[in-house]
Amino acid sequence: AQSVTQLGSHVSVSEGALVLLRCNYSSSVPPYLFWYVQYPNQGLQLLLKYTTGATLVKGINGFEAEFKKSETSFHLTKPSAHMSDAAEYFCAVAISGNTPLVFGKGTRLSVIA
Amino acid sequence: DAMVIQNPRYQVTQFGKPVTLSCSQTLNHNVMYWYQQKSSQAPKLLFHYYDKDFNNEADTPDNFQSRRPNTSFCFLDIRSPGLGDAAMYLCATSREGWGPELNQPQHFGDGTRLSIL
Repeated sequence: AQSVTQLGSHVSVSEGALVLLRCNYSSSVPPYLFWYVQYPNQGLQLLLKYTTGATLVKGINGFEAEFKKSETSFHLTKPSAHMSDAAEYFCAVAISGNTPLVFGKGTRLSVIA
Repeated sequence: DAMVIQNPRYQVTQFGKPVTLSCSQTLNHNVMYWYQQKSSQAPKLLFHYYDKDFNNEADTPDNFQSRRPNTSFCFLDIRSPGLGDAAMYLCATSREGWGPELNQPQHFGDGTRLSIL
């Protein structure tokens, strides 16, 4: 079975600073990996995904993530935080197109002016 | 725009009074999911449908049931809500067998926040 661990339930950064949200996964087969963002009282919106190919993937809103197989990691980064980035971020894993996603516990990002 | 719509956005019910949450989709996806999300926690899968084939998670309480009368609609029924069932309930859809070429694995609705009095 696959699982996801997100290090840090709450991350706080200053506006303009680097954002780094950590995600490690466990999977017995090559995984599909995802980052979702959730704003208050809304559903989940896909930020980016890794399925195959290039290990550095770019998503919406200036976010990117790098799949590192040797470290079983898929950390999310953004060079410069914006106030509008404040939200809950979830890392998720799936092993195929016919299996539901398994989510991490989420990381709440706060951005300080 | 094609989307996943959940009604109502906010639902209040009394302890023990049955409640139904609804989800509709215009994406024509054959897979539909129901998640429960409690405050500051990850979404927890309750069950999902592949077409009419129902798949219940092993730890989903018997109190929770679902109906899918057609491709577009799916309902979550809570027979006797307890205080512990207060949560955000998220509906999502996907196309069975999605692969790297597809834009999104799952499309989520905005959820229904359920409160229990």
